[in-house]
This record gives sequence, C-alpha cells and structure tokens, in this order.
Amino acid sequence: KNEVEQSPQNLTAQEGEFITINCSYSVGISALHWLQQHPGGGIVSLFMLSSGKKKHGRLIATINIQEKHSSLHITASHPRDSAVYICAVSRGAQKLVFGQGTRLTINP
Amino acid sequence: DAGVIQSPRHEVTEMGQEVTLRCKPISGHNSLFWYRQTMMRGLELLIYFNNNVPIDDSGMPEDRFSAKMPNASFSTLKIQPSEPRDSAVYFCASSLDRGNEQFFGPGTRLTVL
Repeated sequence: KNEVEQSPQNLTAQEGEFITINCSYSVGISALHWLQQHPGGGIVSLFMLSSGKKKHGRLIATINIQEKHSSLHITASHPRDSAVYICAVSRGAQKLVFGQGTRLTINP
Repeated sequence: DAGVIQSPRHEVTEMGQEVTLRCKPISGHNSLFWYRQTMMRGLELLIYFNNNVPIDDSGMPEDRFSAKMPNASFSTLKIQPSEPRDSAVYFCASSLDRGNEQFFGPGTRLTVL
C-alpha cells in the first residue's frame, strides 16, 4: 500500500461542475502539498497546508489531520482546469512522498 | 525572477553515454531537489540539498547517478553510463528554508536509446 493514495485516478466532468479530489496518507506528516501538472508537463505548487483549510480563487484545499485525509475542491470548473493533480506529503524534513496523481478533464 | 531554470529541456542520447542535467534554483533559495517522473512510478525524489550540502540521497537509484551542488546557484545531476530505463522527465525544484513551498523547473525530458 502506498503511503499516499489519491482518488479518483481519473475524473471527467462538464464545465461548471464542482470537483473533489481526495488524498489519504498513512503516516504522520508535517505538511501536505497539492500540485498541478498541466499537459505541457510543468508542475505548479497550489497549496501547502498542515491544518484547516486554504482557498485560492476557485480552489479550496482542506485537511483533517486526525483522519489523515485531504481534499482539493474546484468550484465552477473550467476546461483550463484540466490537468493532473498530485498530492504529496512531507515529514519533518523536506522530503516529499507523492501520490499517483488524479487526471482531471473538464469538457466544455 | 526567472524561476527555476533547467537545461537542457530535451536530451536524446545513446545507451552508455554520459548525461549531465543542470539546474539553477531561484536566487535566495537554500534547498534544492532533484525528482524523476515516469509513467510507471510517478514522481520520485532522487536527492535534495540544503545550503549546498546533500541531505538525503536515498532515492538515487544506483551508483550510475551522482549529483553535485558546488554553489548556491547551480546543481548538476549526472548519469554515467546511461541506460534506456533512465528515460524519464527529471525535475529540479527549490525552496526557501525547510518545509516551505517548492518551486519546480520545467523539467528535462531524457530519452536513452
């Protein structure tokens, strides 16, 4: 079993839909990261959080430390949100352990 | 700031050749990371440096891989000799201080024939 599990692996939705991507981890962590990788391959850090909730534009990330679970939500989804979303955790030092990614496709 | 700079962006080489990938972190960042991404294994940390010192190289696959950071603004990842299974996208990332957000470079797509 991987330390970081994401679900679903693939998600296709229509423009405007509310999107939720889940991430579960099996060890204690110091922080959880959500990354976005576009079809061109570049990776962008979206959020880093260790408790509660963070919001940036239409993106919201939440984390429940007790349940070892995080969610990434996208409101009013748009085709430009189509990308692979990657969850990663860090423990103490900076070493990141990555989930396998969720491929999101938003159709117009 | 130009962000993290990696070169080359694409590299095609033949098995047995030496490959050197280069990375310039964001100015002022003191941590640097090398990652490898493949379809089969996803993203994996190879090695990371803090203040130019290697902290964790447990992800380096074998002795054919080596990484250096001679100064705060430059790092190399070398594969010698290269093998077809080394084909992947190699990302460099940097951050300011421990536990902070990491900024990724555009990656180097390596193909070993």
